[in-house]
Amino acid sequence: KQEVTQIPAALSVPEGENLVLNCSFTDSAIYNLQWFRQDPGKGLTSLLLIQSSQREQTSGRLNASLDKSSGRSTLYIAASQPGDSATYLCAPASGGSYIPTFGRGTSLIVHP
Amino acid sequence: SAVISQKPSRDICQRGTSLTIQCQVDSQVTMMFWYRQQPGQSLTLIATANQGSEATYESGFVIDKFPISRPNLTFSTLTVSNMSPEDSSIYLCSVETGQGESGYTFGSGTRLTVV
Repeated sequence: KQEVTQIPAALSVPEGENLVLNCSFTDSAIYNLQWFRQDPGKGLTSLLLIQSSQREQTSGRLNASLDKSSGRSTLYIAASQPGDSATYLCAPASGGSYIPTFGRGTSLIVHP
Repeated sequence: SAVISQKPSRDICQRGTSLTIQCQVDSQVTMMFWYRQQPGQSLTLIATANQGSEATYESGFVIDKFPISRPNLTFSTLTVSNMSPEDSSIYLCSVETGQGESGYTFGSGTRLTVV
């Protein structure tokens, strides 16, 4: 059974900092890995999707890397802004149905 | 990627009653997924809904408590039955449209409070 751990659980930083959010998973036989953002009480917004054959994906100030063999993914947020405040969820998809398993997330607060 | 309309966005319900949550997708999809997110927790898969067949429930979830309908390839409902305060959660539906290439898309969620 896939287990996903996200570190840190919470992060509070001043605006402008570059951030690193970590995700580890126990079953390295993944199909892909997706990073999501969740605002309080809301649904999930997909940020980045990395296929198992890829090492990284970039979108604007976001960059996600994947080291499948070691069961790790990292989300980098450059020049953080207050609007980045949210919970970030990592979800590797594995198993026969490729259904994602979610970590508990990293709760991020960026202060003006 | 697909666009999902989920409603209601939130509700406050009396214990012992039932609530039906609807998800409408703007394209045809084979499978739809229902998740629960309890306060402070991550997402847990409730069931997978295929059109024309019974939903497949994950361990710890049963059809009597969470009946699901899937009348066509763009629509599904989840009912939370005989609610108790422990059912207070965010419920989300999700689809994957690209056969693994597009990732998963989620609805905006239903925030349920049972009093």
